[in-house]
Amino acid sequence: EPEVTQTPSHQVTQMGQEVILRCVPISNHLYFYWYRQILGQKVEFLVSFYNNEISEKSEIFDDQFSVERPDGSNFTLKIRSTKLEDSAMYFCASSGTASRETQYFGPGTRLLVL
Amino acid sequence: QQQVKQSPQSLIVQKGGISIINCAYENTAFDYFPWYQQFPGKGPALLIAIRPDVSEKKEGRFTISFNKSAKQFSLHIMDSQPGDSATYFCAARDSSYKLIFGSGTRLLVRP
Repeated sequence: EPEVTQTPSHQVTQMGQEVILRCVPISNHLYFYWYRQILGQKVEFLVSFYNNEISEKSEIFDDQFSVERPDGSNFTLKIRSTKLEDSAMYFCASSGTASRETQYFGPGTRLLVL
Repeated sequence: QQQVKQSPQSLIVQKGGISIINCAYENTAFDYFPWYQQFPGKGPALLIAIRPDVSEKKEGRFTISFNKSAKQFSLHIMDSQPGDSATYFCAARDSSYKLIFGSGTRLLVRP
């Protein structure tokens, strides 16, 4: 069964450093999303991406965040200058054209900012 | 208005019992309501979903009941098993296709 994959599974970084979280969506999907989950809290939408541009972003997704689809398979989330409060689990999700409503989530990247 | 309220926060059920988790929303533009199951250290996995033109959907031991007029929906897990122990999130999709999640319910099914 096709699945969304994410790397790395864990990342520890110093405050102020840049991090790039990587995702490989399901191969024939065209809609991509990033969500985050602070420990013990609910999953929150960050950004959606379609046709090489951002469709929508939340208020969390400020100028420190960016997304990119550098090639035909990867989808990345970059945090330019990490803050302590960026520590969270980051989930990538993708959905297809035939059933766009079903979003399939990856296993997540746990980011810890020290 | 973009919130989805979920209760209870945690639930303990005996094996074989029925687990019931409730969600409520305000935004009548929401048009798709999935439930996700999450095990520790894993991503949310789609369990079952419903559209607002249907009042009930059943898949195996899992049933969603949907009350459009009350703007509420619930997940029922029949014959709950220890393997069902996980965190369950309800969600609602808005017009831009993003999912708004509830706060989650941690379910523990005792053997």
